[in-house]
Amino acid sequence: GAVVSQHPSRVICKSGTSVKIECRSLDFQATTMFWYRQFPKKSLMLMATSNEGSKATYEQGVEKDKFLINHASLTLSTLTVTSAHPEDSSFYICSAREGRGTDTQYFGPGTRLTVL
Amino acid sequence: AQKITQTQPGMFVQEKEAVTLDCTYDTSDPSYGLFWYKQPSSGEMIFLIYQGSYDQQNATEGRYSLNFQKARKSANLVISASQLGDSAMYFCAMREDTNAGKSTFGDGTTLTVKP
Repeated sequence: GAVVSQHPSRVICKSGTSVKIECRSLDFQATTMFWYRQFPKKSLMLMATSNEGSKATYEQGVEKDKFLINHASLTLSTLTVTSAHPEDSSFYICSAREGRGTDTQYFGPGTRLTVL
Repeated sequence: AQKITQTQPGMFVQEKEAVTLDCTYDTSDPSYGLFWYKQPSSGEMIFLIYQGSYDQQNATEGRYSLNFQKARKSANLVISASQLGDSAMYFCAMREDTNAGKSTFGDGTTLTVKP
C-alpha cells in the first residue's frame, strides 16, 4: 500500500510554544489530506481536511487559529499547534488520499504531543 | 444518530480460531465506502479492507473478509485463523460521497488473541 510519513513521531514541549507536525505522502500524490486527533483508547476525531493549494476546512469546534494547517504541495501538509497548552496533549494522525480507485485513506504513523 | 456503531468494546479469541467484529452504519447516501483499519499499540493505522456500496461481492484480503449486508447496513469484519499479532484495536469507517469524502470512524473494538 501507499506510504505516508509523519514527523516528528514524538514531541515534548513547554506550554506556550508552537509545534509543527509534517505529513508526507512518499509514493503518491495526495489530493486530500486529513488531520485527526485521538485520545487514549478512543476513536479518531477529524480536525480538518486540506486540499493542496486551498484553505483547510475545519470541523466544528476546532479552532483554526490554534491548529494551523498548510497543504503546500501534493505530497506535504503541515499542522502547527500554536501556543500549545497541556490540554493539547494528544496523538495526532494525518492521512492522505490519492483520489483514485477506492479512495482509500493511508495513515501516517502518528505524532504524540506532550505539552508540559 | 451515530453513523458508525461498533458494539463490542473488547473481544477475545483463541489463537487459530476465527472472529467476527461487528460494525453497523447509518447513511442515506446511495454511494459510500466502508473500511476497516487495525491500530496496534504502536499507534499506526493500518488499512485492512474496503467494500464499496455497489460492490456485489463481499471483499476479501487474505485472512480478512468483510461480511457486507447492505439491507441490514452492516459490515462485519471476519478474521480467520487468528494470530497473536492480530491483537490490536480495530476501527470500522465509512466514507460518504456527499460528505466531501470525509470518513467517519466507529469507537473501535479491542481484539485480544489468546495463545
